[in-house]
Amino acid sequence: AQKVTQAQTEISVVEKEDVTLDCVYETRDTTYYLFWYKQPPSGELVFLIRRNSFDEQNEISGRYSWNFQKSTSSFNFTITASQVVDSAVYFCALSEADRGSTLGRLYFGRGTQLTVWP
Amino acid sequence: EAQVTQNPRYLITVTGKKLTVTCSQNMNHEYMSWYRQDPGLGLRQIYYSMNVEVTDKGDVPEGYKVSRKEKRNFPLILESPSPNQTSLYFCASSPSPTGITEAFFGQGTRLTVV
Repeated sequence: AQKVTQAQTEISVVEKEDVTLDCVYETRDTTYYLFWYKQPPSGELVFLIRRNSFDEQNEISGRYSWNFQKSTSSFNFTITASQVVDSAVYFCALSEADRGSTLGRLYFGRGTQLTVWP
Repeated sequence: EAQVTQNPRYLITVTGKKLTVTCSQNMNHEYMSWYRQDPGLGLRQIYYSMNVEVTDKGDVPEGYKVSRKEKRNFPLILESPSPNQTSLYFCASSPSPTGITEAFFGQGTRLTVV
């Protein structure tokens, strides 16, 4: 079973629209970490955010915001006023950290291709 | 500058010809790993290493070998590459395997096996 599900394969928006990328995860661990990475057309992976399972506070960084809800096992990512430079593949990932878990393994979702049109 | 360096960035090779993709990090990280990225599948872990001389299989280890003789280097070896190993490969390092810090990724190696 997929531990991280990104149901949206592709999303297209027009510049200045807000867009939310969904991420649903599955784990039995009480301690875990969630991540978002951006992969622009150049191919490298750019770290965006890390969240631990004990911190459900939402986070805002400029036009980016993240909504972590343990009740629904979701860690969604919103871009406000999208720009062409936001066009990329975005990956959500999970790392489990309870004793007995396979440490260090990052479980990635399949990614969401975001295209922002001018 | 803190970084993970992979070489080569691009490689086209023929079936069965042994190859090595190098990975080096300058952050003194203990934990390193290899992932492959395929369309529609995201990134999947191939092998990982907790420290020097300590390696273990990830989700898709078949057809790959690794070694960790020095802390900074973690090469990925394909003894007899096949076309189904055509993929984008990423090396990653982190100071801790628990996710308490983010993983640092190399630039990626795009491998084509014909």
